[in-house]
Amino acid sequence: NAGVTQTPKFQVLKTGQSMTLQCAQDMNHEYMSWYRQDPGMGLRLIHYSVGAGITDQGEVPNGYNVSRSTTEDFPLRLLSAAPSQTSVYFCASTRANQETQYFGPGTRLLVL
Amino acid sequence: SQQGEEDPQALSIQEGENATMNCSYKTSINNLQWYRQNSGRGLVHLILIRSNEREKHSGRLRVTLDTSKKSSSLLITASRAADTASYFCATDGSSNYKLTFGKGTLLTVNP
Repeated sequence: NAGVTQTPKFQVLKTGQSMTLQCAQDMNHEYMSWYRQDPGMGLRLIHYSVGAGITDQGEVPNGYNVSRSTTEDFPLRLLSAAPSQTSVYFCASTRANQETQYFGPGTRLLVL
Repeated sequence: SQQGEEDPQALSIQEGENATMNCSYKTSINNLQWYRQNSGRGLVHLILIRSNEREKHSGRLRVTLDTSKKSSSLLITASRAADTASYFCATDGSSNYKLTFGKGTLLTVNP
């Protein structure tokens, strides 16, 4: 199993540009989440999904959209990038009856 | 808002010494987890302790939980240079897919 994969690894955007961060998992996990990590901070939950077609907001959802059309994929869209969205983004997944989350390697985003 | 707060923010020790990190949280939990993050990498799950447990061991890791004080500690015994990483506690609140993380402790183990 590849586990949780994220692309791209690194991205530079200009303010106002849009982009999609990709996340995929091959473990047939029902739950998937997106977190952002800022310097000196822990991870903060952006959006999460408990299954295909079901998504909800986390702690810091503003400026981000998600959709879950398949169990495997959970893309995160930045609608109009802002410098405040410069961060490292992590995708995670887990089973419905499991507490441990499995994290991807992260996407480092720089918004100029 | 951050549910967990780790203490200390940074810890530097020599190889072979023990490392202790603490975590405090604010609300009721079902379980508390500890994760490790090597520089530039994703988080890796280390150990989970449930709210009805007081202590748990896994290899060189020992976790304690005091729900009356809303605090947990992670002890790494006989540390190695490879243990150098950031360590985060995470609490689940009402659901296992909505973890709340602390700010982490940066552990440096000097060879």
